[in-house]
Amino acid sequence: DQQVKQNSPSLSVQEGRISILNCDYTNSMFDYFLWYKKYPAEGPTFLISISSIKDKNEDGRFTVFLNKSAKHLSLHIVPSQPGDSAVYFCAAGFVDSWGKLQFGAGTQVVVTP
Amino acid sequence: EAQVTQNPRYLITVTGKKLTVTCSQNMNHEYMSWYRQDPGLGLRQIYYSMNVEVTDKGDVPEGYKVSRKEKRNFPLILESPSPNQTSLYFCASSLGRGRDTEAFFGQGTRLTVV
Repeated sequence: DQQVKQNSPSLSVQEGRISILNCDYTNSMFDYFLWYKKYPAEGPTFLISISSIKDKNEDGRFTVFLNKSAKHLSLHIVPSQPGDSAVYFCAAGFVDSWGKLQFGAGTQVVVTP
Repeated sequence: EAQVTQNPRYLITVTGKKLTVTCSQNMNHEYMSWYRQDPGLGLRQIYYSMNVEVTDKGDVPEGYKVSRKEKRNFPLILESPSPNQTSLYFCASSLGRGRDTEAFFGQGTRLTVV
């Protein structure tokens, strides 16, 4: 049973607008969350993370929001650029046990001109 | 350059023929993992290793073996591959404990079992 869910398999957004990707999790013990970006024929690359002691983390155009009570996190990309077209994976894990990361199914983002 | 290297990138094999996918990292990372990516299922962990000679099962370990004899290497072994192991495989490594620790991924191995 998947503990991390990304319910939107795809998202299309216009260049310059905001992309919002959503992720839900079921295990309240997760205390660290990450977003990865994946281009075709490449491995996933780390994008941004947030620990459970925070509710927001920002890095340039990327902001991750965490709502622990709702077991929900989101990734905002502002403004969206054509190079942001990729698959985005949400992941959750434990700070003291880095071995066991759980990933969502991914959201394919397409940024159109 | 810091990297995780997997080999081969592509492999077609027949059912039952043992194979090994190699993974090597040059960052002196403690943690290494293997994942498989399947459509609609995302990345599912097969096995992980917390250090040399320390390994544990992930979510989908059936049909796979691993070993960690050296810190830098973490090979994935399929003793008797079956068609349901056709997938895209990724190796990853990370420093381990603590915040702000990310996992670095290899470029992937596309395996087809016929």
